[in-house]
Amino acid sequence: EAGVAQSPRYKIIEKRQSVAFWCNPISGHATLYWYQQILGQGPKLLIQFQNNGVVDDSQLPKDRFSAERLKGVDSTLKIQPAKLEDSAVYLCASSLYNAGNQPQHFGDGTRLSIL
Amino acid sequence: KQEVTQIPAALSVPEGENLVLNCSFTDSAIYNLQWFRQDPGKGLTSLLLIQSSQREQTSGRLNASLDKSSGRSTLYIAASQPGDSATYLCAVRTGNQFYFGTGTSLTVIP
Repeated sequence: EAGVAQSPRYKIIEKRQSVAFWCNPISGHATLYWYQQILGQGPKLLIQFQNNGVVDDSQLPKDRFSAERLKGVDSTLKIQPAKLEDSAVYLCASSLYNAGNQPQHFGDGTRLSIL
Repeated sequence: KQEVTQIPAALSVPEGENLVLNCSFTDSAIYNLQWFRQDPGKGLTSLLLIQSSQREQTSGRLNASLDKSSGRSTLYIAASQPGDSATYLCAVRTGNQFYFGTGTSLTVIP
């Protein structure tokens, strides 16, 4: 089966600009996750969707970050305006559904550099 | 808030050795614990998932154990190979949140 697809792979922008990332989960997976991984750290969950509804966005900086999954399939994560501390890899993951026995499958991420 | 710690941060072993990676967590009220592998510039690959009611899971040369009461998990890798070189991360699920450790960077020397 095809894995989780993310684009772009790399993005360089200046601070205060805006940026968007795209994710297409594994076909049939109802649950989608966005993570931020800062260099040398483990991933931090930003937002979790079940179909097109938000399950948890408690760690999403809502003043500058937004995410949507309008048709319950692919998703976009946006940052506006970007700050230097947003430099990180943004990982998308999906699972069949939101249950304790379902593993997460990750894409290769988008590496964001803020100048 | 759940905190996940992985020790050691880095480990180097000769090929063929058996090794153990450690993961500890502060809140024992977890739904599951998952071990991942991350290669440079790549996403995470799921290795093993242990539900809160289970004590261990095995896949090939990998065995993961879970002791919820003490807040610990171990990942045992048998007969290590150079292809096992990667960063290994553990993650626990508490409610709808997932908490990751910072990983153990493993190098297997041929």
